[in-house]
Amino acid sequence: DIQMTQSPSTLSASVGDRVTITCRASQSISRWLAWYQQKPGKAPNLLIYEASILQNGVPSGFSGSGSGTEFTLTISSLQPDDFATYYCQQYHSYPYTFGQGTKLEIK
Amino acid sequence: QIQLVQSGAEVKKPGASVKVSCKASGYTFTSYGLSWVRQAPGQGLEWMGWISAYNGNTNYAQKFQGRVTMTTDTSTSTAYMDLRSLRSDDTAVYYCARDRVDALDIWGQGTLVTVSS
Repeated sequence: DIQMTQSPSTLSASVGDRVTITCRASQSISRWLAWYQQKPGKAPNLLIYEASILQNGVPSGFSGSGSGTEFTLTISSLQPDDFATYYCQQYHSYPYTFGQGTKLEIK
Repeated sequence: QIQLVQSGAEVKKPGASVKVSCKASGYTFTSYGLSWVRQAPGQGLEWMGWISAYNGNTNYAQKFQGRVTMTTDTSTSTAYMDLRSLRSDDTAVYYCARDRVDALDIWGQGTLVTVSS
């Protein structure tokens, strides 16, 4: 199975900050990576697919980059609604594994 | 609008089975697959498997092989996930999600399954 490792596990930041979350794959997954946001008690919400394509309706402050084994999710200027947990997921091969999550907290 | 609506919470005893349903609306059901993902309390997301709504082909995570069966009923645009021989560590919220091949773009609201004696 392809292992997905996110860092950091927890990130403390303030409104207006620029933040970056990293996701590393244990082997190359090309650009078959998606990012999701999850708020407490809610289902995950798709943000980005194919590493860098913004899902319809997602604010432009979110961006993704990377290919192969290293990927990043960047939020350019944190808004109050952005404090949540973020997950990456690889789509290269079954089983479609998730990273362990990054909890973005208010500093 | 496009949505997936799941069945309600379940409480099961160890060793029992649970069947969670996921009813799709707002899109052509057979044009997409469905993945099932679970989340134990306070934990991350775990992909369980996928089913094609077109032809019923499945792919299960090795961890669940032999204990899970995913099916669809195209006449009602409903997918089902059947998990057998339940253990306490199967306590989780179970989600269905529309699988677009490049991402899971629509999610159900989740179904809490509690396994307790």
